[in-house]
Amino acid sequence: AQKVTQAQTEISVVEKEDVTLDCVYETRDTTYYLFWYKQPPSGELVFLIRRNSFDEQNEISGRYSWNFQKSTSSFNFTITASQVVDSAVYFCALSENNAGNMLTFGGGTRLMVKP
Amino acid sequence: SAVISQKPSRDICQRGTSLTIQCQVDSQVTMMFWYRQQPGQSLTLIATANQGSEATYESGFVIDKFPISRPNLTFSTLTVSNMSPEDSSIYLCSVAVDSSRGEQFFGPGTRLTVL
Repeated sequence: AQKVTQAQTEISVVEKEDVTLDCVYETRDTTYYLFWYKQPPSGELVFLIRRNSFDEQNEISGRYSWNFQKSTSSFNFTITASQVVDSAVYFCALSENNAGNMLTFGGGTRLMVKP
Repeated sequence: SAVISQKPSRDICQRGTSLTIQCQVDSQVTMMFWYRQQPGQSLTLIATANQGSEATYESGFVIDKFPISRPNLTFSTLTVSNMSPEDSSIYLCSVAVDSSRGEQFFGPGTRLTVL
C-alpha cells in the first residue's frame, strides 16, 4: 500500500527566509511518480512538479527546488527567499505505476510567510 | 495541462437535500476523478469517473451516496445525496491528460456547507 507523510503540519517563516517542506513516502512499486501541489487560500490545487522514480536528479525552478532521495524515500521541497504569496498549503502526492493514476496525498503542510 | 471548471463554486444546503456538482474540461480526457477535502484535511479520492461505464468507488464511498455520471470525455457530475453536516467539504474534480505521466490537474473546487 502506498503512503505519504508530511510531518510538518504548519510552518511559519518571515519573508525572505528559506524554508524546506518535508515529504516521505512508502511504496512497494519500483515505478512510481511523486508530485507537489500548492493550495492557496482560494482553494484550487496548483500543480508544481512531477518526478518519476527513475529520475533522481534534483530540479530547480526559480525560487523552488526539489530534492529527491530514493535511499531515504524522501522528496523535499525548498522555497528560497520566501514571499508572502507563497503562503498556502502544500501537498506531496504519490502515484504508483499500477494504480491507474490514483493519487495518494500527504496530510499537507500549511506555510505562512509573514512580512 | 487542461482548463477545468466546476459549478457551483460554492453552496449552502439544508440537511437531507442533494446537490449535483458539474465538472467541465476544455479537452477530451480519458480519466476523470472526484476528490473530497474535509475542513483542514487532505484530499481523499471518492471515485474514478469512467466514460461509458459505472464509476469506480474507493473504500468508504458508495454509489447511492455519491452517484457519478460521465456522459462524454469532457464532462462529469458528482451528486452528494441526502446531505448531512458531515458532508461539508470542498469537492474537487481532476483529470489526467496523459495517463502515462501520472499527473492530474484539478478544478477550482466546490465549497459545500450543509446546515
